[in-house]
This record gives sequence, structure tokens and C-alpha cells, in this order.
Amino acid sequence: RKEVEQDPGPFNVPEGATVAFNCTYSNSASQSFFWYRQDCRKEPKLLMSVYSSGNEDGRFTAQLNRASQYISLLIRDSKLSDSATYLCVVDGGSQGNLIFGKGTKLSVKP
Amino acid sequence: EPEVTQTPSHQVTQMGQEVILRCVPISNHLYFYWYRQILGQKVEFLVSFYNNEISEKSEIFDDQFSVERPDGSNFTLKIRSTKLEDSAMYFCASIEVGGAYEQYFGPGTRLTVT
Repeated sequence: RKEVEQDPGPFNVPEGATVAFNCTYSNSASQSFFWYRQDCRKEPKLLMSVYSSGNEDGRFTAQLNRASQYISLLIRDSKLSDSATYLCVVDGGSQGNLIFGKGTKLSVKP
Repeated sequence: EPEVTQTPSHQVTQMGQEVILRCVPISNHLYFYWYRQILGQKVEFLVSFYNNEISEKSEIFDDQFSVERPDGSNFTLKIRSTKLEDSAMYFCASIEVGGAYEQYFGPGTRLTVT
């Protein structure tokens, strides 16, 4: 069974903090990796794709370790607006279906 | 910025009734997907659709479910005889052909089966 496991959370952090989320996936054939964010009762929104070399988008840095089947997301200088559930997502096969982790809830406090 | 749209935003139906959930994918996208999310649980893949046929489906997508692209813009999910456990958010997503599977999700339809 193809699974994606994430930190259970919730993470409660003050504004300005740095927070890291981790994720492992079971399907060694997965080729595409993503972080999505989901606000309460809303659709998942793509935060960033994750590349083998690691990639950064402003305050967000994603890392991928294929050997360990491990993905991470680092958020620096967290803002109140970063409060959401962060979903680790990998592709499940050639037709592009996505496998989601259950998500880690982040709450940024003033 | 183009976006995936879904209607209705909320559908309430009685057990045993048929429902049709509608999606309008982004116009130049050719792969379409349905996912569902039961309250408090993870997002789960239901079905993918390309070139007017199902590409892949999960074990959740049983004979009660069907998908259709009735015209050039709409993509529908039909549940023939709803059960209480079908209550969930249903999300439609789409990608361009050859995309890196960066799927863009619609706002979802909340289905409540009573």
C-alpha cells in the first residue's frame, strides 16, 4: 500500500519562528513531490514542488532525500498567515494520481 | 489567473439518491482528477480521466461512481446511490499534458448524505 507519513503536529509557534516539517513516503517509484497547504474546509493549494537538488521559494525551503524516501519543508520567519495544514504529497503512478499525507497543522501565534 | 471551478459548493441529499458533481477544469488542461476528503481525514484519489476515458481509479471508485466529460468544458462525477459514508468534500483537479503533475484543485463540493 502506498503511503505518505507526516509529523503528527500540531505545531504552535510564535511569529518569526522557524519551523520544519518532515515526511516519509513508501513508494520508491514516485517521481514527483510536492508540498500543498490547506486552510480549514478549503481546497489544497500548491505551495511548491520538491526537487532532488532542494529548492527555495522565499521563506520556504524544501528538501528531498530519495535514498531515505524523506521530504522536508522549512519555513523561516513564520507569519500569522502561514497558519494552515501542510500536506506532503507524492505521485502514485504514471497517470499522475497524487497520494496525500494526512497533513501537519501549523498555528502561528502573535 | 485561470482556475478550476466546481458546482455546487454544497449538496445535501438523502441516502439512496443520485448526485452529480460538476467541475470546469482549466481550459488548456487535458488530464482531470477527482479526489475526496472525509472530514478530518486525508485527501484520497478517486479517479483520473484523459482522452475521454478513465486512466486510473482507486479501490474507492466502485460501481456506484462514474465520470463523464459531456461537453468540451464540464467534467462530472456521478454517485448513483449515495450512502452515508459518501459524505465528504469532493475536489476536482486538472493538469496540462506533460505537466509535472502540479495539480490545481477546485474549491470543492461538500456533499452531505442524510
